[in-house]
Amino acid sequence: QSALTQPASVSGSPGQSITISCTGTSSDVGGYNYVSWYQHHPGKAPKLMIYDVSNRPSGVSNRFSGSKSGNTASLTISGLQAEDEADFYCSSYTSSSTLVFGGGTKLTVL
Amino acid sequence: QVQLVESGGGLVKPGGSLRLSCAASGFTFSDYYMSWIRQAPGKGLEWVSYISDSGRTIYYADSVKGRFTISRDSAKNSLCLQMDSLRAEDTAVYYCATIRTYGSGSPHHFEDWGQGTLVTVSS
Repeated sequence: QSALTQPASVSGSPGQSITISCTGTSSDVGGYNYVSWYQHHPGKAPKLMIYDVSNRPSGVSNRFSGSKSGNTASLTISGLQAEDEADFYCSSYTSSSTLVFGGGTKLTVL
Repeated sequence: QVQLVESGGGLVKPGGSLRLSCAASGFTFSDYYMSWIRQAPGKGLEWVSYISDSGRTIYYADSVKGRFTISRDSAKNSLCLQMDSLRAEDTAVYYCATIRTYGSGSPHHFEDWGQGTLVTVSS
């Protein structure tokens, strides 16, 4: 049950686009389209941003999008805004019927 | 709307036990898989365990297997986590969350989360 690999931090200026990667294996990210992304502001409950690789829950801005290629999933945020600053985590279902998170990425809006 | 309220956290000595509860409301509890997720201080999210809507299917992370027990009471709309043989590394904020399966029998994602309850394991 190794954690998925995410960059520790990414940054961008308001209005720019950034992409956060999430690398796993063929037993998790690569094997299932059950990859999801969560935004977590410290002290608050995590919020679902993307599910099943590229689907957006109602109420989530269309500035957030997801994709997957092989064993790597990606979250792209376009038109960066100050309120996007948070920690982001990917998660995937695994071949062991368990769930796994990425190590998390701290997004800084410059 | 969906409300998940965790309780039962606190300070416990290594080797001790603690029972967490999660009170659910605003949705049909018996229709949903449920999960516990934790976040240690300064660390990322870690999935702990999940239980199916019927309670018949249960999975644990290797880090807690054999020490933690997840259960649910649909009559009380409540999810529990019995934590035994606690270690310092179990110190974390524990969140309960709903899981969506879309009828596939496999967890797709966590949907709604509680605010969490802090467990501190220290002598």
